[in-house]
Amino acid sequence: ETGVTQTPRHLVMGMTNKKSLKCEQHLGHNAMYWYKQSAKKPLELMFVYSLEERVENNSVPSRFSPECPNSSHLFLHLHTLQPEDSALYLCASSQNYRSRGKTQYFGPGTRLLVL
Amino acid sequence: GDSVTQMEGPVTLSEEAFLTINCTYTATGYPSLFWYVQYPGEGLQLLLKATKADDKGSNKGFEATYRKETTSFHLEKGSVQVSDSAVYFCALSDTGDFGNEKLTFGTGTRLTIIP
Repeated sequence: ETGVTQTPRHLVMGMTNKKSLKCEQHLGHNAMYWYKQSAKKPLELMFVYSLEERVENNSVPSRFSPECPNSSHLFLHLHTLQPEDSALYLCASSQNYRSRGKTQYFGPGTRLLVL
Repeated sequence: GDSVTQMEGPVTLSEEAFLTINCTYTATGYPSLFWYVQYPGEGLQLLLKATKADDKGSNKGFEATYRKETTSFHLEKGSVQVSDSAVYFCALSDTGDFGNEKLTFGTGTRLTIIP
């Protein structure tokens, strides 16, 4: 595998379920990101991890819980979600979070539907 | 705060037509500017970027010039192809309080090319 992979690609869950999204990057990068992409809205940055430490948390509800066990893996744990949380969740990675103009590489996303 | 405004879509053009997608930005610092493209069912991928004023980014026949005086980064292509059908996102990255860099995206412009 190369680039950034995400699993599952599609997920349907009820509001009382607990599920996890997984992201893996094969690029040797040291920063990873979670974004939410909703229809008609700009991509929203949710979380940033740099060198496995969380450096950004953009007022995301506690029902979303990120985990970064190492520089190649990023998880987003989901529990008691709401229907408005239905969206495409994108993972990205980059090298040198503190460097200007670095390109972020995105995975294909997980399409989440909350019923 | 930082923001990106890009032209509303959808945009529909005939093959070989000239393309312009407008993008303007507001930033407190000196941002880097990006165009990302999202093909159906995929994540975002970098199309081109520019990190300083008057720089021109180019890739796959697409071009955009960093215009600091007009705070713009318009995307152009001289002759579009059906394979260019996708959603195009303008974005900026700026350095935050702790030297952290994060992307701010526009809402995206859906482009459809008709044979």
